[in-house]
Amino acid sequence: NAGVTQTPKFRVLKTGQSMTLLCAQDMNHEYMYWYRQDPGMGLRLIHYSVGEGTTAKGEVPDGYNVSRLKKQNFLLGLESAAPSQTSVYFCASSYSGVAFFGQGTRLTVV
Amino acid sequence: TQLLEQSPQFLSIQEGENLTVYCNSSSVFSSLQWYRQEPGEGPVLLVTVVTGGEVKKLKRLTFQFGDARKDSSLHITAAQPGDTGLYLCAGPLYNTDKLIFGTGTRLQVFP
Repeated sequence: NAGVTQTPKFRVLKTGQSMTLLCAQDMNHEYMYWYRQDPGMGLRLIHYSVGEGTTAKGEVPDGYNVSRLKKQNFLLGLESAAPSQTSVYFCASSYSGVAFFGQGTRLTVV
Repeated sequence: TQLLEQSPQFLSIQEGENLTVYCNSSSVFSSLQWYRQEPGEGPVLLVTVVTGGEVKKLKRLTFQFGDARKDSSLHITAAQPGDTGLYLCAGPLYNTDKLIFGTGTRLQVFP
């Protein structure tokens, strides 16, 4: 069982470039989430999904878009990366309110 | 502004000491969870508390959910170096699907 898998694990972007982070889960969970983690800030919710074809905004959604075309995948897109989006990004899926996390993607925007 | 505030933000103690970490909110949560995160890894669930006033024990860790379901605490007895890590509280906002995390408490236990 792979659980929650994030790709890529590391990425460096130039300001203005775009990219997509992929999250895949094999636990058949309905709920999926994208968080960012900055030093001293805990985890902040970017967007989430309560099922295939649905998405909703979290606490810090600006500058990000998401899609949930298939139940097992949740994609996070940055259309025009900014240095303020330098962070570690975590994807999670949940069942009965309990979240299972991927290992994170460290993104640096220069 | 974070909906779940944790205190203290940092804690550095000697092995054998006791400590308490607090998680507070002005919002009601249907349940609260505690996670521990180690460097380079995602958070891992320690416990879920569901009922107001509930107390759960997990070996040397004691978790409590406030009566009004707005706060929680984590008490560690006789801390060990293996307890070192980032402790996060989290919960689904009442009547929503948003799983919100606290600001985190970084614990370092020295031998």
